[in-house]
Amino acid sequence: SQQGEEDPQALSIQEGENATMNCSYKTSINNLQWYRQNSGRGLVHLILIRSNEREKHSGRLRVTLDTSKKSSSLLITASRAADTASYFCATDSSGSARQLTFGSGTQLTVLP
Amino acid sequence: DAGITQSPRHKVTETGTPVTLRCHQTENHRYMYWYRQDPGHGLRLIHYSYGVKDTDKGEVSDGYSVSRSKTEDFLLTLESATSSQTSVYFCAISGGDNTDTQYFGPGTRLTVL
Repeated sequence: SQQGEEDPQALSIQEGENATMNCSYKTSINNLQWYRQNSGRGLVHLILIRSNEREKHSGRLRVTLDTSKKSSSLLITASRAADTASYFCATDSSGSARQLTFGSGTQLTVLP
Repeated sequence: DAGITQSPRHKVTETGTPVTLRCHQTENHRYMYWYRQDPGHGLRLIHYSYGVKDTDKGEVSDGYSVSRSKTEDFLLTLESATSSQTSVYFCAISGGDNTDTQYFGPGTRLTVL
């Protein structure tokens, strides 16, 4: 079963606009991570937010976490064509093996 | 790609044949993982390892076995491949100073006819 569910499943925007993706999860977590996957490639880690944090920034990325609503959002500002990819949230609610449970992803298309 | 390689990168096989996929890392990380990725399902954990000869099952382990005889290698075996195992398989590693973040290999596309 999937812990995280992304919304929307697909998003198409113009270059320069902001893109917002949401993730909802079911059980309590240690942390939540966002990964990017370009077509035909492996996943690349973007950012991690711990359960005691509410917001985190990294370059053009802003992640928020609301543990009371069991939800997170990823904002990409001033999007570029190179941001076109699938974005996945992953939650860590496990023990020592650092198991992650991934959502089904949001496909972001940034049009030039 | 964080010193992770997967082999083969592509494989076509027939139902009922055994298949072994290899993941090799040069990072000396403790944890290694095998996932499968299918449309509409994201990534699902098959098996993982938390040390040499220490492995455990993930969410979708039926029909798969793993072995880790060395820190750097994690093998995934399909004893008798079925068409439902047609998928893209990713290996991931974590460890060092940050065990929370996973680094992924390039994937193996497996087709079972």
